[in-house]
Amino acid sequence: EVQLVESGGGLVQPGRSLRLSCTASGFTLGDYAMSWIRQAPGKGLEWVGFIRSQAYGGTTEYAASVKGRFTISIDDSRSIAYLQMNSLEIEDTALYYCTRDLLRGYSAYAFDPWGQGTLVTVSS
Amino acid sequence: QFALTQPASVSGSPGQSITISCTGTSGDVGGYHYVSWYQQHPGKVPKLLIHEVTNRPSGVSNRFSGSKSGNTASLTISGLQAEDEADYYCSSYTSSSTLIFGGGTKLTVL
Repeated sequence: EVQLVESGGGLVQPGRSLRLSCTASGFTLGDYAMSWIRQAPGKGLEWVGFIRSQAYGGTTEYAASVKGRFTISIDDSRSIAYLQMNSLEIEDTALYYCTRDLLRGYSAYAFDPWGQGTLVTVSS
Repeated sequence: QFALTQPASVSGSPGQSITISCTGTSGDVGGYHYVSWYQQHPGKVPKLLIHEVTNRPSGVSNRFSGSKSGNTASLTISGLQAEDEADYYCSSYTSSSTLIFGGGTKLTVL
């Protein structure tokens, strides 16, 4: 069964860092593009960034709101995708979802499956 | 980059058909075939309904269909059912090699 489980969320002060993990099972992580998507309380979905599959270079792209502060990486040997979040802002408070691209290798830029999410609260 | 434009709410009666629009620009919806639609029930994880404008993943009801004309994509739900009451989001790949979501549409089944 394909599954994604996020961890690492919590309460953090503005300006501090946090690293989220997404443990994947049921597929080879590096074979797929992986994205992080967040949802602030009571708000809509916001794409955070993605890392392309290894076949497409494993390169990353980010939303303008997090570029330069957030970094996505994967450890294929441990089947874990990471979201390193630095210089956190109050506006980064959200439920963070880890998602996999629908297609193996080439990206359809469509996300399935999704993890259950991990909550990040940025507050002093 | 601003979100794709969706109506805040739509409603319909059981058995009817409704359409949710998703308007962008030539730099996103109009320029690429990578438009997706998601359904999210309260407190639940979003579910992929449509990918690449018109394609349904296996297991998704054929009551859901997608289309695109110019810079506007649309999701049509036919034979509306009570369980369809949820929030719906569109997304698109962009010319900046990023993804963008719509603001979301709340569907009420009367």
